[in-house]
Amino acid sequence: QVQLQQPGAELVRPGASVKLSCKASGYSFTSYWMNWVKQRPGQGLEWIGMIHPSDSETRLNQKFKDKATLTVDKSSSTAYMQLSSPTSEDSAVYYCASMITGFDYWGQGTTLTVSS
Amino acid sequence: DIVLTQSPASLAVSLGQRATISCRASESVDSYGNSFMHWYQQKPGQPPKLLIYRASNLESGIPARFSGSGSRTDFTLTINPVEADDVATYYCQQSNEDPYTFGGGTKLEIK
Repeated sequence: QVQLQQPGAELVRPGASVKLSCKASGYSFTSYWMNWVKQRPGQGLEWIGMIHPSDSETRLNQKFKDKATLTVDKSSSTAYMQLSSPTSEDSAVYYCASMITGFDYWGQGTTLTVSS
Repeated sequence: DIVLTQSPASLAVSLGQRATISCRASESVDSYGNSFMHWYQQKPGQPPKLLIYRASNLESGIPARFSGSGSRTDFTLTINPVEADDVATYYCQQSNEDPYTFGGGTKLEIK
């Protein structure tokens, strides 16, 4: 079955970059866009951007253009999102989601805590 | 950016009754004969789950109690009849235009 595996939690110090991972299995990883979504505690959903694993074409929400970098490793079917210079505003749950029709499959999310 | 306005922000419905959630887009989300509007259910501590894609298509494994309708700028998610397991927050989302955007959410409770 389709699975998107994400680490449950990450802790990062303010200003140090962090790279979140999303390992896909159970479907053709290179066939569908992989999306990243942010959710702050008690808040709604915010689309960060997406990457197509076949050629690494990327579309970023301009709000995150200086914050997020999306990459993939086709050999391990893993998508990554690097967040630069994190602040407390970046503390949130980050989901990866593959898009076939809508966002059909979601990871369980990584809770990122930015704290010294 | 396309702004999605959901209403109501919360609603309480009796078991067995109908729940209706509205999503209005600031501009049309239709292209190539399709409405790129989707609906998700999110329960606390869980990722969102796709219920309806392209306005009216029921995702595999989702009960037929859920249905979607609408086009261009006005969309509706209906749950009929409501069951206890439907307590959750519901989001609409458009994928017609980058950046993709979500509505603010509607919290469903049982009366």
